[in-house]
Amino acid sequence: QVQLVQSGAEVKNPGASVKVSCKASGYTFTTNAIHWVRQAPGQRLEWMGWINAGNGNTKYSQKFQGRITNTRDTSATTVYMELSSLRSEDTAMYYCARDNGAAAGSMDVWGQGTTVTVSS
Amino acid sequence: DIQMTQSPSSLSASVGDRVTITCRASQSISSYLNWYQQKPGKAPKLLIYAASSLQSGVPSRFSGSGSGTDFTLTISSLQPDDFATYYCQQSYITRTFGQGTKVENK
Repeated sequence: QVQLVQSGAEVKNPGASVKVSCKASGYTFTTNAIHWVRQAPGQRLEWMGWINAGNGNTKYSQKFQGRITNTRDTSATTVYMELSSLRSEDTAMYYCARDNGAAAGSMDVWGQGTTVTVSS
Repeated sequence: DIQMTQSPSSLSASVGDRVTITCRASQSISSYLNWYQQKPGKAPKLLIYAASSLQSGVPSRFSGSGSGTDFTLTISSLQPDDFATYYCQQSYITRTFGQGTKVENK
């Protein structure tokens, strides 16, 4: 079945970087883009950016521009999201989600989420 | 950036009630509007895409309507499994989510 499996929880110091992985299976990896969405405790969902898994092109929210890098490894069918210069406000659940271009660009498959805690 | 505003932010309803949630975009987004359901500690689940198309496997009591800037999600007869938070999302230019509507048991 189609699924996205994310890496485990992370605890980081302020100023550090975190890299979260998202492994895709059950479909042709290069067909769909992958989005990254985060949710701080009690807050709304927040779109961070996306990567075209076919050609590697990326688009980021202006809020995270300069701090976020999305990459992919086609042989491993895995997408990565790296966020640098972490601060306490980056403490959140981070999700990857598959873009369905045939369904108005909706996010039809989600990873289970990765908790990132930023604390000294 | 396109801003998405949902109303209400929360509502109390009983099993069997008809529930309506609205979502307004800060500019026209045609029909590039999607609805998600999220339960505590879980990833969001796609319910409706392109404003009114039901995602495969989603019960038919869920429906969506609207175009341009104003959209609606309706649950025709609320079921116990439907108590959750609902988000709208525009996919016209990048992606933006509404602030969410929490549906609670009255």
